[in-house]
Amino acid sequence: DAGVTQSPTHLIKTRGQQVTLRCSPKSGHDTVSWYQQALGQGPQFIFQYYEEEERQRGNFPDRFSGHQFPNYSSELNVNALLLGDSALYLCASSPRASDPDTQYFGPGTRLTVL
Amino acid sequence: AQSVTQPDIHITVSEGASLELRCNYSYGATPYLFWYVQSPGQGLQLLLKYFSGDTLVQGIKGFEAEFKRSQSSFNLRKPSVHWSDAAEYFCAVGAVSGNKLVFGAGTILRVKS
Repeated sequence: DAGVTQSPTHLIKTRGQQVTLRCSPKSGHDTVSWYQQALGQGPQFIFQYYEEEERQRGNFPDRFSGHQFPNYSSELNVNALLLGDSALYLCASSPRASDPDTQYFGPGTRLTVL
Repeated sequence: AQSVTQPDIHITVSEGASLELRCNYSYGATPYLFWYVQSPGQGLQLLLKYFSGDTLVQGIKGFEAEFKRSQSSFNLRKPSVHWSDAAEYFCAVGAVSGNKLVFGAGTILRVKS
């Protein structure tokens, strides 16, 4: 049983560009959350998707947007990249009905903005 | 809004020694509390969680944590540390079931032989 997978592993972009990160949840999980982890800090919640809708949002600007597909996979899009967007982006999934509080994290995508 | 404080940025312990990592949270009601571990270049792995009931919870890899409401703490302990325990440890709090997690800044554990 595959766990949470994320692609790509690493990404380098320049300021002003746009980026899309992808996440496939663990089998049987229908809720996906995204977190940003800057160097030396704990993860910060970006948003959560369930039933293809954004259910909760953290304190991030509208440049950060997302999507969830019918197969529960998810994308995180960031527009107009800033140097400060350089971070490890983590995706976490959980099964909302049976165990909503146990989030399984993927290995993350390391985004570097130059 | 909830918050988490991990007072120790770095901790170094000898292999075989006991370990305690501190975590203090701020939240008005009974929180959902978690400890995660992150090895270099890896995602987060859940060690243990507390929702209600017995305040001493057992987790994986021989870790345990105790919820103390009076001290707003949820400290992580292990009686004997192994070199493979070297990693960064994060305490997190959730306010409502299925809700977002708020993480502390993490504690980096170094194990010396």
